[in-house]
Amino acid sequence: DAKTTQPPSMDCAEGRAANLPCNHSTISGNEYVYWYRQIHSQGPQYIIHGLKNNETNEMASLIITEDRKSSTLILPHATLRDTAVYYCIVRAPRAYGGSQGNLIFGKGTKLSVKP
Amino acid sequence: NAGVTQTPKFQVLKTGQSMTLQCAQDMNHNSMYWYRQDPGMGLRLIYYSASEGTTDKGEVPNGYNVSRLNKREFSLRLESAAPSQTSVYFCASSDRLQPQHFGDGTRLSIL
Repeated sequence: DAKTTQPPSMDCAEGRAANLPCNHSTISGNEYVYWYRQIHSQGPQYIIHGLKNNETNEMASLIITEDRKSSTLILPHATLRDTAVYYCIVRAPRAYGGSQGNLIFGKGTKLSVKP
Repeated sequence: NAGVTQTPKFQVLKTGQSMTLQCAQDMNHNSMYWYRQDPGMGLRLIYYSASEGTTDKGEVPNGYNVSRLNKREFSLRLESAAPSQTSVYFCASSDRLQPQHFGDGTRLSIL
């Protein structure tokens, strides 16, 4: 699985868009980009994932560059409840779990949303 | 819809004691996982079960055993607890090509 690089921390004003970057320069053709977040003391929560096209759901948007070497998670209107550690993970989904299916978590980006 | 349920939520053990962490999912997922998270760190995979009846080691399996009791349940056992196993333990489940769903964790302290 490709390694990812994220800034250790970011701040965002409440109501503004939060843009969280992720570099994955060694990503291979069949690897997806996944984003999870972990709010203090809770289990990680899935946010969004994509292969090469931009994706949007009710929580966030995912922008992947054309060369797929980096991506940005966008929370369009950040709230205080979005304060969390955000993890960018790159992996190839396979039929079953295991080393081919587990998620490799780095240290993520600690996003602090301020009033 | 409960998702992934872990019990207990908190536990304190003495060095050398044994215990089993329980995990159950109600999403009919084939794959289940056990992770540990130490302070300030990301999650590390201990063991996983790709499907009912199979288990395999992850990144940090030493000191642990697992049992995939049935499709719903995946337990993690510490046979002789050590202070280095003080951590937060997360169970997760997923199915083919789907994202993993996590429980809320078990906070384990070993004195």
